[in-house]
Amino acid sequence: EAGVAQSPRYKIIEKRQSVAFWCNPISGHATLYWYQQILGQGPKLLIQFQNNGVVDDSQLPKDRFSAERLKGVDSTLKIQPAKLEDSAVYLCASSAGLAEGPQYFGPGTRLLVL
Amino acid sequence: QKEVEQNSGPLSVPEGAIASLNCTYSDRGSQSFFWYRQYSGKSPELIMSIYSNGDKEDGRFTAQLNKASQYVSLLIRDSQPSDSATYLCAVGGSGNTPLVFGKGTRLSVIA
Repeated sequence: EAGVAQSPRYKIIEKRQSVAFWCNPISGHATLYWYQQILGQGPKLLIQFQNNGVVDDSQLPKDRFSAERLKGVDSTLKIQPAKLEDSAVYLCASSAGLAEGPQYFGPGTRLLVL
Repeated sequence: QKEVEQNSGPLSVPEGAIASLNCTYSDRGSQSFFWYRQYSGKSPELIMSIYSNGDKEDGRFTAQLNKASQYVSLLIRDSQPSDSATYLCAVGGSGNTPLVFGKGTRLSVIA
């Protein structure tokens, strides 16, 4: 079974530029998550989708971050404009849809904002 | 604010010893508990899940849950240098409540 796919793996941009990340979850997984992980900290949830609907986006900085999951499969996360403090690893995870079930992570996208 | 607390470490143990990693959580309604291993520069990898009080064993790993004390732990027997990583505790509630992650404990197994 293929795991969670993410691209790109690395991205370097200058502040105020825009960037987009892509995620393809495990086949059949209804729930998709985007996390931000800063060095030395645990993952912080940005947004959770159930199929193509948003379940929780309370920690998403909506003035600069946006995410969508059209057709309930792939998802994109966009940052516009980027700030220096957005430098982090952006992790996508998916789960089968059971609220208490485990999540499986993709390899992540490492973003550096200069 | 739901919180998950872990000692950041580093926790150093000699090869072959038992490593004990601990986690406490604030939400009494929590239903699901997970341990993830994260190697430097890699993404978290699920190693254990536990949902009811008591112990759950999988190979060299044992997860222990005590809901009354709001405490979950991970024991690693016969620790190997390849176990050196950061271990993340994640706690889930009911319904669609998302997982809350601790900051992780860095484990170093010394050969």
